[in-house]
Amino acid sequence: AQRVTQPEKLLSVFKGAPVELKCNYSYSGSPELFWYVQYSRQRLQLLLRHISRESIKGFTADLNKGETSFHLKKPFAQEEDSAMYYCALRNTGFQKLVFGTGTRLLVSP
Amino acid sequence: DADVTQTPRNRITKTGKRIMLECSQTKGHDRMYWYRQDPGLGLQLIYYSFDVKDINKGEISDGYSVSRQAQAKFSLSLESAIPNQTALYFCATSGQGAGDTQYFGPGTRLTVL
Repeated sequence: AQRVTQPEKLLSVFKGAPVELKCNYSYSGSPELFWYVQYSRQRLQLLLRHISRESIKGFTADLNKGETSFHLKKPFAQEEDSAMYYCALRNTGFQKLVFGTGTRLLVSP
Repeated sequence: DADVTQTPRNRITKTGKRIMLECSQTKGHDRMYWYRQDPGLGLQLIYYSFDVKDINKGEISDGYSVSRQAQAKFSLSLESAIPNQTALYFCATSGQGAGDTQYFGPGTRLTVL
């Protein structure tokens, strides 16, 4: 069965501090992993996906198949990064996403 | 800009009432989805549709039904609403490509008293 685990419900850091939001998954095949972000009173939007290997708003995430992880990282957090972050998995060739329970990131000045 | 819209944005209703939530999209996508979001549970898939003639149950379809009236419209119905269906409901769409991501609507906040 596909499962996505985000162990932290809340992560609170100060501005300028490094951030790592954890995501672990279980899936027997080759997954596609995504990070979605939801800012206050806004809709869910894609932040980044592992196949793109890109950096968006200073965030990066590397797929580690050995550890079945896809942690989201940013070296210097900004107040505007405060939001709800969801890790999601999709099995290759199929459109259904499985979401984790989300981590609320709070960046204080 | 092509978009995903949901109506209503907020709804308060009473137990036992029938409720319909509507989703429309101008993205030209074939695939549409309904999710509910609850605090601490993340997003759970209720139903999804890969084209007008294709409807599939998701993880938590009990108590819900859907209708795909056209490529651009996908409605979610609660035939007899109950309080534990109080949640934020999101519609999403995607293309057919293997790399296509999902685009979400703004959400409908439903409260069942």
